[in-house]
Amino acid sequence: DQQVKQNSPSLSVQEGRISILNCDYTNSMFDYFLWYKKYPAEGPTFLISISSIKDKNEDGRFTVFLNKSAKHLSLHIVPSQPGDSAVYFCAASGLKTSYDKVIFGPGTSLSVIP
Amino acid sequence: DAGVIQSPRHEVTEMGQEVTLRCKPISGHDYLFWYRQTMMRGLELLIYFNNNVPIDDSGMPEDRFSAKMPNASFSTLKIQPSEPRDSAVYFCASSILGGRRGTDTQYFGPGTRLTVL
Repeated sequence: DQQVKQNSPSLSVQEGRISILNCDYTNSMFDYFLWYKKYPAEGPTFLISISSIKDKNEDGRFTVFLNKSAKHLSLHIVPSQPGDSAVYFCAASGLKTSYDKVIFGPGTSLSVIP
Repeated sequence: DAGVIQSPRHEVTEMGQEVTLRCKPISGHDYLFWYRQTMMRGLELLIYFNNNVPIDDSGMPEDRFSAKMPNASFSTLKIQPSEPRDSAVYFCASSILGGRRGTDTQYFGPGTRLTVL
């Protein structure tokens, strides 16, 4: 059973609009969350993260929101640009809980249409 | 630094053959991870090493899969015998610590696309 879920395999957004990518997790041992971005024929690269002591973390056009009670997080990209077209992986780990692995979700493929 | 280096980038083989994938982590990184990416399961952790010692291999699908890290600068993932369902992209990643936080993330190689006919 997947511990990190990304229920939307793909998403299309118009350039300039907001992209919202969702992620749900089931394991209460997770207390730290990361988003990775992957272009075709390349490996994933780190994008942004959030600790469970926060409910929001912002880095430029990228903002991650965490709802611990719902075990849900989302990545917002505003405004979306064609260069943001990629696969986005949500990942979870435990720091204080000592869950020592990083578990990745299946990914959401984002297409930003010019 | 050149980043994580993987070879080969593409491998096409026939069912039953042995396949060896290679990885050179970033110098100074103590953790090395092997992942497999498929459409159905996304990015799965197969095994990871700390200071060349395998820590968790619970993600290795079967005994046909084995991984070694003889030294800090080299690791292999071997599949013997290979089967068509092993076709996937295999990634190697490394990190200084466990790669579990934003200040210590995992750095991925470009991947090896394996096709087993």
